[in-house]
Amino acid sequence: DQQVKQNSPSLSVQEGRISILNCDYTNSMFDYFLWYKKYPAEGPTFLISISSIKDKNEDGRFTVFLNKSAKHLSLHIVPSQPGDSAVYFCAARANAGGTSYGKLTFGQGTILTVHP
Amino acid sequence: KAGVTQTPRYLIKTRGQQVTLSCSPISGHRSVSWYQQTPGQGLQFLFEYFSETQRNKGNFPGRFSGRQFSNSRSEMNVSTLELGDSALYLCASSLLGPRGYTFGSGTRLTVV
Repeated sequence: DQQVKQNSPSLSVQEGRISILNCDYTNSMFDYFLWYKKYPAEGPTFLISISSIKDKNEDGRFTVFLNKSAKHLSLHIVPSQPGDSAVYFCAARANAGGTSYGKLTFGQGTILTVHP
Repeated sequence: KAGVTQTPRYLIKTRGQQVTLSCSPISGHRSVSWYQQTPGQGLQFLFEYFSETQRNKGNFPGRFSGRQFSNSRSEMNVSTLELGDSALYLCASSLLGPRGYTFGSGTRLTVV
């Protein structure tokens, strides 16, 4: 049962353009969402997060949008740079009375390639 | 400050053997979580420890176990290894839960 899904295994974008990575979830108990970036042979690196009480969070070139009614979130990268080429994972945390702090449910990842 | 350190980086084991992986969290971090990454599956949650207590457990068989020591260092153990256990095992530490998660570089386990 895949509760967090990234339906696009890969995305190719031209440098300077916008990259949009999508993520869908099914568990209504998820209250916090995160995006991680991963390079080969390294662990994931935290990028940006959003609480379920918000619909948008921005940090520099990265913006995350949350549509709770559609159970959908997206990560926008503007402008895209070749150094952004990596695997991007979305992750979600369920609020279970404060007992699930450390348990994140991850999507399968999207490989982003930004061409110069 | 030093990051999350996982040892060893690479490991090759034979089916049926057991293996122990180690994780040293960032100094001061009391929460340590373990994840398994396999191609096409993303990261699957294994377990989380906080102050030496297992706080959460994922849907893995009992062959997968872990523990945390008083200095917050954590180990995970896999017994009776199967070919399907070949994966990248990632450890993450945090001060207050996933908002501040920092991952290590992982241990690449290959079971032959």
